[in-house]
Amino acid sequence: SAVISQKPSRDICQRGTSLTIQCQVDSQVTMMFWYRQQPGQSLTLIATANQGSEATYESGFVIDKFPISRPNLTFSTLTVSNMSPEDSSIYLCSVGGPVSDQETQYFGPGTRLLVL
Amino acid sequence: AQSVTQLDSQVPVFEEAPVELRCNYSSSVSVYLFWYVQYPNQGLQLLLKYLSGSTLVKGINGFEAEFNKSQTSFHLRKPSVHISDTAEYFCAVRVDTGRRALTFGSGTRLQVQP
Repeated sequence: SAVISQKPSRDICQRGTSLTIQCQVDSQVTMMFWYRQQPGQSLTLIATANQGSEATYESGFVIDKFPISRPNLTFSTLTVSNMSPEDSSIYLCSVGGPVSDQETQYFGPGTRLLVL
Repeated sequence: AQSVTQLDSQVPVFEEAPVELRCNYSSSVSVYLFWYVQYPNQGLQLLLKYLSGSTLVKGINGFEAEFNKSQTSFHLRKPSVHISDTAEYFCAVRVDTGRRALTFGSGTRLQVQP
């Protein structure tokens, strides 16, 4: 499976500021996703990052709050804008497997965000 | 739309005992099923998956799961657990057409005691 890295691994931010999270994959992948895991909760899909076009957002998530970039097949960013304490979560990037395993998703290590 | 129910939020078990973590799903179309494990302060690691074929699937770390279509279940089992298996376990489902994102259950905390 692909090796996925995320930066930063964790951060503490002040309310009202923005943080950009990077996701880097060691091979080209078609599908990239961003999930949120709020404290003690399961994972919720934020959006699908589409290469060369706008991301597809899930209900309850909007581009102004979570702008996403996908400039190529190995990299994506998620920005958490105008943060509030409710944005404190783990943010995880995931990618689809190779052509022989594209039904499976593999996850990065996550970015742990605390908003004060 | 599909959904996933993990019936137990916490499962305490003694070391070397067997364990079963339950997962039921709901979907009007065929699905792919997954179990992921999350160790403290880490991301998600794929344990095993059911895509098609044999309904009994074996994964890493001695875990296995059985797909039961009639009962819409995908329970995870291990015959003998270790302290190192203490973690959060998530069941997830994906439909086999169109939308490729995963829908996750609420998670089960497996607590292995000495």
